[in-house]
Amino acid sequence: SQQGEEDPQALSIQEGENATMNCSYKTSINNLQWYRQNSGRGLVHLILIRSNEREKHSGRLRVTLDTSKKSSSLLITASRAADTASYFCATDAAGANSKLTFGKGITLSVRP
Amino acid sequence: GAVVSQHPSRVICKSGTSVKIECRSLDFQATTMFWYRQFPKKSLMLMATSNEGSKATYEQGVEKDKFLINHASLTLSTLTVTSAHPEDSSFYICSARSSIGTQYFGPGTRLLVL
Repeated sequence: SQQGEEDPQALSIQEGENATMNCSYKTSINNLQWYRQNSGRGLVHLILIRSNEREKHSGRLRVTLDTSKKSSSLLITASRAADTASYFCATDAAGANSKLTFGKGITLSVRP
Repeated sequence: GAVVSQHPSRVICKSGTSVKIECRSLDFQATTMFWYRQFPKKSLMLMATSNEGSKATYEQGVEKDKFLINHASLTLSTLTVTSAHPEDSSFYICSARSSIGTQYFGPGTRLLVL
């Protein structure tokens, strides 16, 4: 069953604007990872945030994690048309046999 | 970042044939690899966890005799779709987990069964 649930499901913004995507999950996690997928392609790992971390940055990406609310957000600043893709959050559940569980994904469209 | 390759990237086959997909971690050793299936505009669904030197762990509802997984080395896992049928047509993606927990994904294999 899918644990991560992203919202919104689809987001359309103008180039230069910021894009904020949210993810909620249900169970305890070791870490949460955000991925990007261009149409018909594999997934590109964007950022991993551990359960004891609250915020991480990577270039134009900023990820936050609130374990009390079981939620995470991905912020893309100064968006570009090339950021157009689907974005997925995936949770690595706590426990010996951890595995990633993916949300349904968010389709981001950045208009030039 | 780490690189995971998949081969072939695309395959078309006749119903009833078997198809093997290879997944390789190119610059790190992966004791655990994963196989996912993705339908158009849908999320990834985990099929099985592949452990080097041991049997794969399949998710509920995934037929282990249909989807044979072999993890022969720390850098190679294979998925064989046996006696493929049109409903097996899908996008299959593998991933390899690094020692720190990051999962790196392959580019995917698009399977079309006629």
